[in-house]
Amino acid sequence: SYVLTQPPSVSVAPGQTARITCGGSNIGRKSVHWYQQRPGQAPELVVYDGADRPSGIPERFSGSNSGNTATLTIGGVEAGDEADFYCQVWDIGSDQWLFGGGTKLTVL
Amino acid sequence: QVQLQESGPGLVKPSEALSLICSVSGDSITSTSYSWGWMRQPPGKGLEWIGNTHHTGRTFYNSSLRSRVTISVDTSKNHFALKMNSVTAADTAIYFCARGSFNAGWWIWGQGTLLTVSS
Repeated sequence: SYVLTQPPSVSVAPGQTARITCGGSNIGRKSVHWYQQRPGQAPELVVYDGADRPSGIPERFSGSNSGNTATLTIGGVEAGDEADFYCQVWDIGSDQWLFGGGTKLTVL
Repeated sequence: QVQLQESGPGLVKPSEALSLICSVSGDSITSTSYSWGWMRQPPGKGLEWIGNTHHTGRTFYNSSLRSRVTISVDTSKNHFALKMNSVTAADTAIYFCARGSFNAGWWIWGQGTLLTVSS
């Protein structure tokens, strides 16, 4: 079965750039979506289809997807960005939505 | 503005069935553009997809839950429902409903409802 692998944690100083990866076999061929989940809140879609942003999401959030790795990049990190981030794909081979295990972003 | 709101019993006994409702406002559940789905999150753990309807009429389920789960749509009430049989403590989680599509992910989420399985 298809598996998405994320690092458990990423730490970055305010103002720096955070990169959160999502690994999967030939994930570059799939449509990858990213969610931010702050404590006690529902997930929020921040990037969809690899690199597109929903309205209202700051341009600081960007995505890329190639080969076996998709990446969510957050530029100019702020304290308010601290949250858990999840990648997700639709696996057409199994007709399943799959989530990565999640990455906790800590702003130092 | 589209809004989703989950409702449910809060507490269910082991081996019983759980039923949750997701009420939709600001959009028709018969919309031909979207899927309507359920996700859950056990305390302190990650997100898990449970299943979703699709505007083609198909319903998709997590293979690990398929034998216990049914998702249904009530167009007259503009809501969709989740039923899960034979629950155990492992089903204790926050349950979220959401609207989405294959190529754009799950755009709109409800606030979530905590369901505890305990005797």
